Amino acid sequence: DIQMTQSPSSLSASVGGRITITCRASQGIRNSLAWFQQKPGKAPKSLIYAASTLQSGVPSKFSGSGSGTDFTLTISSLQPEDFATYYCQQYNSYPITFGPGTKVDIK
Amino acid sequence: EVQLVESGGGLVQPGGSLRLSCAASGFTFSSYWMSWVRQAPGKGLEWVANIKQDGSEKNYVDSVKGRFTISRDNAKNSLYLQMNSLRAEDTAVYYCARDGRVVVVPAQWGKGTTVTVSS
Repeated sequence: DIQMTQSPSSLSASVGGRITITCRASQGIRNSLAWFQQKPGKAPKSLIYAASTLQSGVPSKFSGSGSGTDFTLTISSLQPEDFATYYCQQYNSYPITFGPGTKVDIK
Repeated sequence: EVQLVESGGGLVQPGGSLRLSCAASGFTFSSYWMSWVRQAPGKGLEWVANIKQDGSEKNYVDSVKGRFTISRDNAKNSLYLQMNSLRAEDTAVYYCARDGRVVVVPAQWGKGTTVTVSS
């Protein structure tokens, strides 16, 4: 199975700021990488697939990059509604696996 | 508007069975891969299973193989997860998700249904 790691596991940021979350796969996954946002007690929301393609309706303040084993999610101009937990997911091979999540809270 | 509504969760004893359902609307159900993803209390997301548009391909995480069966009824716009031989570690919120037509990534999610396995 492909193991996904994320760093940091948590971070504090200011409203209006910019953050970057890193996701690493235990083996190459081409660009088969997705990102999700989840708020407490809510269902996840899909943000990005194919490493950098925004899902429909997702604002351009979210951006993704990477290929192979190393990927990043960047969120600019942080707003209160962006404070949440973010998960990466590889879908290059089965079983599909998620990273452990990165919790983003307000500084 | 895409809607995915899960049902069928509840409290079940270890070794018991449950059948989860997901009623889909607002899109052409038969055109999309569908998935189940779960989240144990206080834990991260875990992909459980997915199924191709015509049901010809099904994939599972190892921990549920032989115990869970994913299925779909395109005439009823419904997705199912038959869960047998349930264990305490299956306790979770189970989410139904609509994937893409080709890319097996959830694009839309239901609100989830809670399964608790306990004696």
